[in-house]
Amino acid sequence: SQELEQSPQSLIVQEGKNLTINCTSSKTLYGLYWYKQKYGEGLIFLMMLQKGGEEKSHEKITAKLDEKKQQSSLHITASQPSHAGIYLCGADVGSSNTGKLIFGQGTTLQVKP
Amino acid sequence: GAVVSQHPSWVICKSGTSVKIECRSLDFQATTMFWYRQFPKQSLMLMATSNEGSKATYEQGVEKDKFLINHASLTLSTLTVTSAHPEDSSFYICSASLGFEYEQYFGPGTRLTVT
Repeated sequence: SQELEQSPQSLIVQEGKNLTINCTSSKTLYGLYWYKQKYGEGLIFLMMLQKGGEEKSHEKITAKLDEKKQQSSLHITASQPSHAGIYLCGADVGSSNTGKLIFGQGTTLQVKP
Repeated sequence: GAVVSQHPSWVICKSGTSVKIECRSLDFQATTMFWYRQFPKQSLMLMATSNEGSKATYEQGVEKDKFLINHASLTLSTLTVTSAHPEDSSFYICSASLGFEYEQYFGPGTRLTVT
């Protein structure tokens, strides 16, 4: 079965520092999603990547999907306390778009002011 | 963006009772809704997929007789946890989309505690 591995599991950074979160799959990713979750709350959609080599940015967050479509990274530039939360990567299951998502275990980010 | 609500946001019930959780798409018609469960400090696990007007499809290991899902309209899906037990205590999150090929919008979640 397909699994998503996120690293690191947790991260503490000083405000203003850059950071990267990785999401790796053993199989080709068909639709890779990044979400942010605050503990005990729902998911906030950040970005979706589908094509190998694709890169998207929104404000200070950039997500990339590698050419082989097996690894994605989420990069935050000049982190702020508002970036704190749990970041989850999710991916479509299988090669056909079923809409079913599997998720990585999440990366907990703390930003120290 | 599209808004999905859940009700209640939290609920405490006694063991053996049933609890119903509602998931509503507020500003779009959701052909497909998904139900996830999240245990503390763990990721989301897909429980079932429901399409409006048809029976839900459950993931392996999820008891369909225990977790009853109804998707009677394009804006409402319900999850009923029947004969709840303490091990059913979890955070339940729904998502809604226009269809399989569209982005999923997540609800805020419902925290269920069974005593």
